[in-house]
Amino acid sequence: DAGITQSPRHKVTETGTPVTLRCHQTENHRYMYWYRQDPGHGLRLIHYSYGVKDTDKGEVSDGYSVSRSKTEDFLLTLESATSSQTSVYFCAISGDSRNTEAFFGQGTRLTVV
Amino acid sequence: KNEVEQSPQNLTAQEGEFITINCSYSVGISALHWLQQHPGGGIVSLFMLSSGKKKHGRLIATINIQEKHSSLHITASHPRDSAVYICAPHSYNTDKLIFGTGTRLQVFP
Repeated sequence: DAGITQSPRHKVTETGTPVTLRCHQTENHRYMYWYRQDPGHGLRLIHYSYGVKDTDKGEVSDGYSVSRSKTEDFLLTLESATSSQTSVYFCAISGDSRNTEAFFGQGTRLTVV
Repeated sequence: KNEVEQSPQNLTAQEGEFITINCSYSVGISALHWLQQHPGGGIVSLFMLSSGKKKHGRLIATINIQEKHSSLHITASHPRDSAVYICAPHSYNTDKLIFGTGTRLQVFP
């Protein structure tokens, strides 16, 4: 199995609380992504990283921040969780154009009540 | 216009039928992934291809780089093939994965 893990796998939190999701890889891949998946919308990119301390916004970045202080870890933070952020969150990793393999985490089911 | 278009969005089939899912993209790519997600499950990569055709069991993936089109075929479909299938080109210019919205396949016995 590819070395990518997400934590936690499930979380229930209250509106207004901060939440951090972690994605950890052992593949030394350059690119890391956070997506959310909602019924009727497919996978939507929140943020991605193309290297340590190099991140950029995706199509649904409002209300989310990310950090990548090490190659292997990409953190997604909801500063003040809202009910609209109830979703399943997936982390993915990929190489560059010379090594285009990609792997996906198992997902984190987040419920904001 | 979306950079990746998949069709159909939903597909139902009887067990044993031949299935085709199509993907068209508008960006230059270095490779393209076909992904599978079972209900409530994680996402797995079925194929990564940059030219021609690949086969794995009953699944076949083809790509035409000039036409910017890829297809995923399932021969002798089975209820366990019921899942969402997602096309994900790897953009050559941005090095990012781009996801299609997926095709939901249901195969009935």
